[in-house]
Amino acid sequence: DIQMTQSPSSLSASVGDRVTITCRASQSIISYLNWYQQKPGKAPKLLIYAASSLQSGVPSRFSGSGSGTDFTLTISSLQPEDFATYYCQQSYSAPWTFGQGTKVEIK
Amino acid sequence: QVQLQESGPGLVKPSETLSLTCAVSGYSISSGYYWGWIRQPPGKGLEWIGSIYHSGSTYYNPSLKSRITISVDTSKNQFSLKLSSVTAADTAVYYCARLTVTPPEYFQHWGQGTLVTVSS
Repeated sequence: DIQMTQSPSSLSASVGDRVTITCRASQSIISYLNWYQQKPGKAPKLLIYAASSLQSGVPSRFSGSGSGTDFTLTISSLQPEDFATYYCQQSYSAPWTFGQGTKVEIK
Repeated sequence: QVQLQESGPGLVKPSETLSLTCAVSGYSISSGYYWGWIRQPPGKGLEWIGSIYHSGSTYYNPSLKSRITISVDTSKNQFSLKLSSVTAADTAVYYCARLTVTPPEYFQHWGQGTLVTVSS
């Protein structure tokens, strides 16, 4: 199985901050990397697919980059509704696997 | 607008079979896409369980493959999960979702999730 490792596991930030979350794959997954946002008690929501494509309806402050083994999710200006847990997921090789999550908390 | 809704018992006894159904509205399963199950133990991360195509072809997570059956009922526009010989480690919120077919596959639409507790 391909292991996905996110860093940091949690972070504290203020509204307006630029936030970067990293996801590393245990082998190359080319650009087959997706990002999800999950709020407490809710289902995950797709933000980014294929490493850098923004899902319809997702604010443009979210962006993704990377290829191979190293990927980044960036929130350009953190908004109150962005405090949540973020997960990466690879779809290069089944079984599809997720990172352990990064919790973004209010500073 | 595609909507998915999980249903099934919230409590299952150890060694028994967990059975869940996902009802789909706003889209006909027989029109395409993959349909899948993901679970999340309380306070933990996400684990893909398995997926099924509208034709009935399936692929499962090898870690659970011996205990899983996923089936589809296009006449009722729903698909189902059966997980046998459950233990406390199978306690989780179970989500159903629609996946894209062409790579990279991603979980595009999700149900709200249903908590299943394994306990005697």
